[in-house]
Amino acid sequence: QVQLQESGPGLVKPSGTLSLTCAVSGGSISSDSWWSWVRQPPGKGLEWIGEIYHSGSINYNPSLKSRVSISLDKSKNQFSLNLSSVTAADTAVYYCARGLYGAKTFDLWGQGTLVTVSS
Amino acid sequence: ERVMTQSPATLSVSPGERATLSCRASQSVSSNLAWFQQKPGQAPRLLIYGASTRATGIPARFSGSGSGTEFTLIISSLQSEDFAVYYCQQYNNWPTFGPGTKVDIK
Repeated sequence: QVQLQESGPGLVKPSGTLSLTCAVSGGSISSDSWWSWVRQPPGKGLEWIGEIYHSGSINYNPSLKSRVSISLDKSKNQFSLNLSSVTAADTAVYYCARGLYGAKTFDLWGQGTLVTVSS
Repeated sequence: ERVMTQSPATLSVSPGERATLSCRASQSVSSNLAWFQQKPGQAPRLLIYGASTRATGIPARFSGSGSGTEFTLIISSLQSEDFAVYYCQQYNNWPTFGPGTKVDIK
């Protein structure tokens, strides 16, 4: 079955750029699904960051739009997140997730990766 | 932005009892509402979408209802594995989540 796995640095310096990748296994990233990033600060709730479709269509959370970039690599069957100008407020567990067909909710999640912003 | 609120923040329930969780949207989200369960150290798991449709593999003791701005998740008879945090999420426009309801053992 399809599985998602996040990877990337666990520590990023303030004002730097957070970069994560989500590898899709057991299925194709070119399937009829949107692919999203969601984050969760320690002990807090969930925040949707943005999504990408294999055609290249992208949507971002308006509150993060100026700092976020999501891209997709079909050859590697993965998609990526870049978040620039990070501060301690960006410390969170970052999840990649698959969109449920026909609804902007999420039926498959990666295990999540903790990214800490600290000097 | 559609702001989601959930009540109560914490719900203490005995195993075998019924749990009723509420979710409210600041503006109508029609039936574009999902519920998730999250256990410590785990990713969220989709329970309900379209306000009332159970996701694949979700037991029938979980049921969702509502439309517009008021939604309810009912767990008919709590099992030990159901003690967790539950989030609602609207997807009428860009997705937003509620703050969660923690269901713990009474």
